[in-house]
Amino acid sequence: EDQVTQSPEALRLQEGESSSLNCSYTVSGLRGLFWYRQDPGKGPEFLFTLYSAGEEKEKERLKATLTKKESFLHITAPKPEDSATYLCAVRTDSGYSTLTFGKGTMLLVSP
Amino acid sequence: DTGVSQNPRHKITKRGQNVTFRCDPISEHNRLYWYRQTLGQGPEFLTYFQNEAQLEKSRLLSDRFSAERPKGSFSTLEIQRTEQGDSAMYLCASSLDVFGYTFGSGTRLTVV
Repeated sequence: EDQVTQSPEALRLQEGESSSLNCSYTVSGLRGLFWYRQDPGKGPEFLFTLYSAGEEKEKERLKATLTKKESFLHITAPKPEDSATYLCAVRTDSGYSTLTFGKGTMLLVSP
Repeated sequence: DTGVSQNPRHKITKRGQNVTFRCDPISEHNRLYWYRQTLGQGPEFLTYFQNEAQLEKSRLLSDRFSAERPKGSFSTLEIQRTEQGDSAMYLCASSLDVFGYTFGSGTRLTVV
């Protein structure tokens, strides 16, 4: 069974204090790893898709990286508006059309 | 096009009542998905349509749940004889291929 584990569950940062969120996975054939941002009371908003180990993608203060067992979401000099829950999800050979999500990391950035 | 639209945004119902939610996907998207999310958890897959065909259902989808997508356009998710454990956010997503999911804002169901 595909498993996705995110850590930490919650993270509190000061504005400008860079950090990383972790997503580790145990799957049968990775077809893609996805990062989403979710604000309270809203649906997940797509950030990145990574397909193979060594791949990196960037968007503003966010950078996602992928290895064979985990992915990191690096947040550089975060701002309060980056506060949200960040979700990691995988698409695999056993569920090609669907996503398996982790529980998310709740990020709070204080001014 | 304004994205994936879900209605209602909130629904409070008494235990035992039936409820129905609607999802309007992005117009050119042929794939539509339903997920359920409870507090502190990530979304869990419920069911998936390609055009009007329901191609996949999770074991989470008990016989009290039914989903339809007539004519491959909007979709409805009905829950019969609601239970308190059905309280959750019900999320709809659509995509043109297997890679580009867009989620709606969800319908929050509270069963009292």
